Amino acid sequence: ETGVTQTPRHLVMGMTNKKSLKCEQHLGHNAMYWYKQSAKKPLELMFVYSLEERVENNSVPSRFSPECPNSSHLFLHLHTLQPEDSALYLCASSPSVARAYNEQFFGPGTRLTVL
Amino acid sequence: GQNIDQPTEMTATEGAIVQINCTYQTSGFNGLFWYQQHAGEAPTFLSYNVLDGLEEKGRFSSFLSRSKGYSYLLLKELQMKDSASYLCAVRDQAGGSYIPTFGRGTSLIVHP
Repeated sequence: ETGVTQTPRHLVMGMTNKKSLKCEQHLGHNAMYWYKQSAKKPLELMFVYSLEERVENNSVPSRFSPECPNSSHLFLHLHTLQPEDSALYLCASSPSVARAYNEQFFGPGTRLTVL
Repeated sequence: GQNIDQPTEMTATEGAIVQINCTYQTSGFNGLFWYQQHAGEAPTFLSYNVLDGLEEKGRFSSFLSRSKGYSYLLLKELQMKDSASYLCAVRDQAGGSYIPTFGRGTSLIVHP
């Protein structure tokens, strides 16, 4: 247990569905992240929030929409996804985005399959 | 941005020592992380290097040479449970961000 939980763990959706991924951290951290992990590819940073404010958006398509209502919760809203969006979506948190030593704590991920 | 290179896959024998290399190119290096990720699980932090030299933590050690853009993770007395993917992540301050960029990971297979 890393102190970061994600739900659901597995999700299968059609291209016309709308779904949301949820992440919660119990570590008192100020920064939260969404990553995409595809086979044979590096972890891709999607979004970063610091104290509920989005600080990075790495050219992610608008069919992915993040939401951070407070520093403990992070959502990723999905709509009209493509099959190539199938991947493991990882949430992470860290004490801050601006500290020199900034270990990230990852959740177990949501395995997403788009049909 | 960074260009991070790690071997895709390595195999080793239980009880042996294995060294996993990571090379990188940055213009404003500000730290290197190693994470371990078992299949179907979350990555977990192993080590952090920002100065040259060796950091030892039990059976795992991590080395950094900033002038060479090079790090390695050394695993001693290998156990079957060490079979996992090992991710190298580098932070480059040149872009004004403290957020590290990850390599593709090295899949380590430990066999009896």
